Amino acid sequence: KQEVTQIPAALSVPEGENLVLNCSFTDSAIYNLQWFRQDPGKGLTSLLLIQSSQREQTSGRLNASLDKSSGRSTLYIAASQPGDSATYLCAVSDTGTASKLTFGTGTRLQVTL
Amino acid sequence: EAQVTQNPRYLITVTGKKLTVTCSQNMNHEYMSWYRQDPGLGLRQIYYSMNVEVTDKGDVPEGYKVSRKEKRNFPLILESPSPNQTSLYFCASSFWGARASGSFYTFGSGTRLTVV
Repeated sequence: KQEVTQIPAALSVPEGENLVLNCSFTDSAIYNLQWFRQDPGKGLTSLLLIQSSQREQTSGRLNASLDKSSGRSTLYIAASQPGDSATYLCAVSDTGTASKLTFGTGTRLQVTL
Repeated sequence: EAQVTQNPRYLITVTGKKLTVTCSQNMNHEYMSWYRQDPGLGLRQIYYSMNVEVTDKGDVPEGYKVSRKEKRNFPLILESPSPNQTSLYFCASSFWGARASGSFYTFGSGTRLTVV
């Protein structure tokens, strides 16, 4: 059974810092990996999707990498801003159940002024 | 605007009183799914549907029912709610199969359910 772990559970950084969020998964037979953002009281917003054949994806200040063989992904946020404060969730979909997502418990990020 | 709409956003109910949480999407997605989110446990899949009249259990289906009579709607039914079903519920949709490659999930805004 696929398990997804995110470390750290919470992170506080001053504005302007670059930061890395980590995600690990136990079964490397994944279809894709997605990073989501969740704001308090709101739904999930999809940030980046990496197919199993890809190594990384970039969107603006966000860069996500995938090392399938080691079961790891990182989300790099450059020049953090207070508006980046949110919970970041990593989710994988397994081969065979391509649309089912298994989520990590998230990293709660606070960017301070 | 492409979206997944859930209703209600907040619901407080009593044990045993049947309730339905509605979910509707306007993107012609084949795949729809329900998740619940609990502190320390993350999001867990309750039920999913790959298309009209095709539904299947996720990881935590006990105490829930679903139906998919139309492509756009996927209601979640709690026949006899219990306090352990107090949670934050999300509906999500996406394309399925070959078209799922590179497809992003779209999530609803969530329904916070409290069963007393």
